[in-house]
Amino acid sequence: GAVVSQHPSRVICKSGTSVKIECRSLDFQATTMFWYRQFPKQSLMLMATSNEGSKATYEQGVEKDKFLINHASLTLSTLTVTSAHPEDSSFYICSARSRWDSEETQYFGPGTRLLVL
Amino acid sequence: LAKTTQPISMDSYEGQEVNITCSHNNIATNDYITWYQQFPSQGPRFIIQGYKTKVTNEVASLFIPADRKSSTLSLPRVSLSDTAVYYCLVGDHSGAGSYQLTFGKGTKLSVIP
Repeated sequence: GAVVSQHPSRVICKSGTSVKIECRSLDFQATTMFWYRQFPKQSLMLMATSNEGSKATYEQGVEKDKFLINHASLTLSTLTVTSAHPEDSSFYICSARSRWDSEETQYFGPGTRLLVL
Repeated sequence: LAKTTQPISMDSYEGQEVNITCSHNNIATNDYITWYQQFPSQGPRFIIQGYKTKVTNEVASLFIPADRKSSTLSLPRVSLSDTAVYYCLVGDHSGAGSYQLTFGKGTKLSVIP
C-alpha cells in the first residue's frame, strides 16, 4: 500500500526559531500533497494544498509567509514554520495523493508533534 | 459549515458490532463517502470508501441508502484496539485548492472490556 512518512516525528524548539517538517511519499509519486494541523482534542484542519512544481494554495486564515510550503519533487513536500511561537505548538499531518488515484483518496503521514517553548 | 454530522462519542463492549451513522444532507452528485480511523498522536488511516449501496472490505462495511444523505460504518466484533476516533468525510470542491477532504469532529469510539 501507499506509504507516507514524516520527519521528524516530534520536535521541540525555542520561540522565534524556524522548524522544517518533511513529508515523503515512499512508494508512489505524489502530485498533490496536503498539510493539516490538529490541536488537542480537535479535528484536523486543512492548512494548504500543494501541487508539485507550483505554489501552494492556503486556506483562509493560514499565513503563507509564516507557513512556507515547498513541493519541489513528486515525493517530497516540506512545511517550514517560521518564527515559531508557543501558539504554533500542534500536531502537523501531511497527506499525499497520486495522479492515478481518485480525487477522494489521500494517504496520510504519521504526523509531527511540534512544541514551541 | 460542516458537511457531515456524526455522534460525538459511542461506547461498545468487546465482541459487539458497532454501527456509526453519519449525516451528509448536502452531498454532491460526484462526492464519495470516505471513513478514516485515527489513534491518538497518529495520522488518520483509511478504512473504507463508497458511493452508493454497500461496500465491504476486510475491516468494515459501509452502507449507503439510495438518497445518499447518510451512511453507516459497521465494524464487526470490535476489540479494544478499535478504540479510536472515526471520521466520516465527503469530498469538497468548494475550496481554493484541489479537491479537499474536510474533517468534522468525528466519533470517539470507546471499546469496553
